[in-house]
Amino acid sequence: AQKITQTQPGMFVQEKEAVTLDCTYDTSDPSYGLFWYKQPSSGEMIFLIYQGSYDQQNATEGRYSLNFQKARKSANLVISASQLGDSAMYFCAMSGRYILTGGGNKLTFGTGTQLKVEL
Amino acid sequence: EAQVTQNPRYLITVTGKKLTVTCSQNMNHEYMSWYRQDPGLGLRQIYYSMNVEVTDKGDVPEGYKVSRKEKRNFPLILESPSPNQTSLYFCASSQEGKNSPLHFGNGTRLTVT
Repeated sequence: AQKITQTQPGMFVQEKEAVTLDCTYDTSDPSYGLFWYKQPSSGEMIFLIYQGSYDQQNATEGRYSLNFQKARKSANLVISASQLGDSAMYFCAMSGRYILTGGGNKLTFGTGTQLKVEL
Repeated sequence: EAQVTQNPRYLITVTGKKLTVTCSQNMNHEYMSWYRQDPGLGLRQIYYSMNVEVTDKGDVPEGYKVSRKEKRNFPLILESPSPNQTSLYFCASSQEGKNSPLHFGNGTRLTVT
């Protein structure tokens, strides 16, 4: 079974500083994808970044980068130059083995990290 | 605008009163699913659908039903809601493939008293 672990229930960071949100995963599937989502207080889920298990380079999207260490089974999200609008809940998720009845992208989610950006 | 639309955003109901949460996507995605979000548990999949008339259980299907009569619509039905189904519900859709992100609706906050 797949499992995602986010060990930081809450974090604080000062505006303009960088912050790393931890994510470790467990899977027996050789092919998988790792995702990060942001959930602001308004509740919607916003896709941030994706990393494939066979990708050679770490993914980057603007101020977001994914520090992928396959041997350690970690996929940490790095947010550079934090802004007040980055205050939100962040979820790490992974896709993996297709469900036997068909394909499709089931994601297994971690429990989230609440990030608070301070002045 | 490409989007997943859920309705209603908020719903308060009583135990045993049947309800339906609607979900519609305009991206022609074949894959749709429902998740519930509870504090400390993250998001857990309830049901998913690979295509019209093809649905299957996720991790927490008890107490829920779904149907997929049209590609764009995937309603979630609670035949006899109970207080332990009080939660934040998300509908999501995606293209085929492990690298395809889920596109989420804005969520439905359900309270069952």
